[in-house]
Order: sequence, then C-alpha cells, then structure tokens
Amino acid sequence: GQNIDQPTEMTATEGAIVQINCTYQTSGFNGLFWYQQHAGEAPTFLSYNVLDGLEEKGRFSSFLSRSKGYSYLLLKELQMKDSASYLCAAMDSNYQLIWGAGTKLIIKP
Amino acid sequence: DGGITQSPKYLFRKEGQNVTLSCEQNLNHDAMYWYRQDPGQGLRLIYYSQIVNDFQKGDIAEGYSVSREKKESFPLTVTSAQKNPTAFYLCASSIGDRSEAFFGQGTRLTVV
Repeated sequence: GQNIDQPTEMTATEGAIVQINCTYQTSGFNGLFWYQQHAGEAPTFLSYNVLDGLEEKGRFSSFLSRSKGYSYLLLKELQMKDSASYLCAAMDSNYQLIWGAGTKLIIKP
Repeated sequence: DGGITQSPKYLFRKEGQNVTLSCEQNLNHDAMYWYRQDPGQGLRLIYYSQIVNDFQKGDIAEGYSVSREKKESFPLTVTSAQKNPTAFYLCASSIGDRSEAFFGQGTRLTVV
C-alpha cells in the first residue's frame, strides 16, 4: 500500500533550527511536496523536490533521497509565526498526491 | 487578485439533509480537487476534475457528488448517504495534475 509517515508533533525554540522528517512508500514516484498549514486555514505550498538533493528557499530548505524514500524540511531562524502544521505529500505514478497526517510544530519563546 | 474561494467558512446542517459546498477559482486552472481533512489524518481525495464536464472519484467518493459545468467552479454536494460528514473540506486547483495545488480557505461542516 501507499503510505506517508511524519512525526505528529515537534517543539522548538524561537531562533533555532528544526528538521521535520517524512518517509514515503508509493506506487511510482513523481515528486514530493511540502505545505504549511496554520490552524483552521488553507495549506500553502512550500517546496517541491523530484531529484535527490537539497533545495534552499530562504529560511526553508527541503531535501530528498529517492533511494531511501525520505525527505526532510529544514526550518532555520525559527519565528513564532512558523508555528503551524507541516504536510508532506508524495505524488505517485498516476500523479495522485498521497498525504501525510502532518507535523504540528510548536515554537516556544 | 487571483485565488480560490470557498464558501461558506462554517456550515451547520441537520442529519439527513444534503448540503452543497461552493468552490470558485479565477486562476484559469484546469484541474480542481476536493479533499476532506480529519484530525490526525492526511488529506483524503474525494473527487477531482481535470477538464470541464469531466470528473473522477477519489479515494472516498461515497456519499458525495460533484459537477464541473464551468472551468471556474467545482461545487461539492455532501449527501445524506455520507455516514460521517462532519469534517473540514478543502478545495484546491492546479495548472495541471503535475503542479502544486492552491487551496481555498476551507469549509468546516458540522452535521447535528
């Protein structure tokens, strides 16, 4: 079956760095997406990886290892507004997205 | 401003009633999607449409229906056959099926 695993909740301190991991098992693979979702709001797109390696975008970076079925989202210089859920989604061979349950990130001052 | 709009944000209905959730986009996107989000679970695909007058069932289509008469609009009807309709419903659109999705603000449906 198809499956995405990510931690349920993480806590970090303002100004620090946090890494949110995601492992996936899909029928075929056409890329991995990360979205941010504040409570009660719409998910917003953060990153897309289809090739192995690290993609950096400001304070956020995303890494992919296709051979390991693994990705992570790295958030640097954490701010209070980064408190949100982070959703990992893998695209299968039919271009359908398989979603993880999300990681709730709590930032403490 | 281009975007995707869902209405209403909160909706209450009595058990046994059908209810229609609105989704409109002015991004000129071909693909549109309906997802359901429940606590502790990933987004689950209800229906999707890649072109006007055509749509496909997702993983949890039972008890739901959709139409795609216009490119801009993709309404979802939650019928009385849906056994557990209380949830947060998200509509999304994308340029194609290989692009990132843009989401509406969501409709929180409560059936009492």
